[in-house]
Amino acid sequence: NAGVTQTPKFRVLKTGQSMTLLCAQDMNHEYMYWYRQDPGMGLRLIHYSVGEGTTAKGEVPDGYNVSRLKKQNFLLGLESAAPSQTSVYFCASSWNNEQFFGPGTRLTVL
Amino acid sequence: SQQGEEDPQALSIQEGENATMNCSYKTSINNLQWYRQNSGRGLVHLILIRSNEREKHSGRLRVTLDTSKKSSSLLITASRAADTASYFCAPFSGAGSYQLTFGKGTKLSVIP
Repeated sequence: NAGVTQTPKFRVLKTGQSMTLLCAQDMNHEYMYWYRQDPGMGLRLIHYSVGEGTTAKGEVPDGYNVSRLKKQNFLLGLESAAPSQTSVYFCASSWNNEQFFGPGTRLTVL
Repeated sequence: SQQGEEDPQALSIQEGENATMNCSYKTSINNLQWYRQNSGRGLVHLILIRSNEREKHSGRLRVTLDTSKKSSSLLITASRAADTASYFCAPFSGAGSYQLTFGKGTKLSVIP
């Protein structure tokens, strides 16, 4: 069991570029989440999904889009990256209230 | 969803000592969870305590819950350098809620 994996681990973008972060889980969990974590802060929820084909906005959804075409994958997209989106991004899946986190993607937007 | 507030923000102790951190929340909960985050890593679930439980143990961890005061505490006994991490509480409201909201955490440093 790989658990929750995230691709890529690191990425540097220029302002205005786009990219997609991939999250995959092999635990057959229905719920999946995308968070961002900034220095000295807790995690803030960007978007989440309660099942294949569904998505919902979290606390800080602006500038991001998501898709859940397959149960095991949850994609986070940045259409036009901004320096304010420099952060560490964590994906999680959930079963029975417990959340399982991926290792994170460190994104820098110049 | 509601956010827990951890206190203190930072805690520094010697190896072998006990570490206690607290969590407060605002509205009624179904359960409350504690997570650990080692530097640069994802969060790891430590323990879940349900609203009808007052105390729970897992190895060197002891969690208490006081629903009348809307507070919880996490005690780590006989701390080790490897316990150095940030600790987050996450109150879960249940019924129709799918989210956990994390606060800023308590940063624990265990000095060898």
